[in-house]
Amino acid sequence: TQLLEQSPQFLSIQEGENLTVYCNSSSVFSSLQWYRQEPGEGPVLLVTVVTGGEVKKLKRLTFQFGDARKDSSLHITAAQPGDTGLYLCAGTYLAQKLVFGQGTRLTINP
Amino acid sequence: NAGVMQNPRHLVRRRGQEARLRCSPMKGHSHVYWYRQLPEEGLKFMVYLQKENIIDESGMPKERFSAEFPKEGPSILRIQQVVRGDSAAYFCASSLNSPFGAYEQYFGPGTRLTVT
Repeated sequence: TQLLEQSPQFLSIQEGENLTVYCNSSSVFSSLQWYRQEPGEGPVLLVTVVTGGEVKKLKRLTFQFGDARKDSSLHITAAQPGDTGLYLCAGTYLAQKLVFGQGTRLTINP
Repeated sequence: NAGVMQNPRHLVRRRGQEARLRCSPMKGHSHVYWYRQLPEEGLKFMVYLQKENIIDESGMPKERFSAEFPKEGPSILRIQQVVRGDSAAYFCASSLNSPFGAYEQYFGPGTRLTVT
């Protein structure tokens, strides 16, 4: 059974600070996605990474895929209250189904 | 340009009743997935379907649960004789079939099932 460990589970920081969320596994991913989920809604796809070492940027968000394709990180620069939400990483391991991490609940205080 | 649609958004059933959850994939998507999110838990895969075929049902409970994706119409997740433990948010996702495998999944808003 593949497991995705996401850390930290909870993070509360002040507006303007930087933060990093981690997603780790002992297995090699075929691909990895990051989602953001608001209360009462479905996850919204932020990014997909496929190649080891890949880095993708989405405004103030930087996503990195580890060289060995076993880990990933999400870095937010100058966090804003609008970044508050649940961030989920999810990976595929040869099969089509997504295996999700437990999520990081992020709170940005004004 | 509608996304994945699910209905109903909220469903209340008494123990022993049947629940039917519907999912219409994004236009052009031929792959549908169902996931369940229990309170305070992460999303868990249940079943993966293509038109008229179940491809992977390894995450679906063996009893009371079934899923279909007919040639015409939405995908249906059916739960018979619901119990309190079935209370959860059920999400549907869809994807294209790309040369690299259908790995980008887009989610619907979910159906929140409450069993009383």
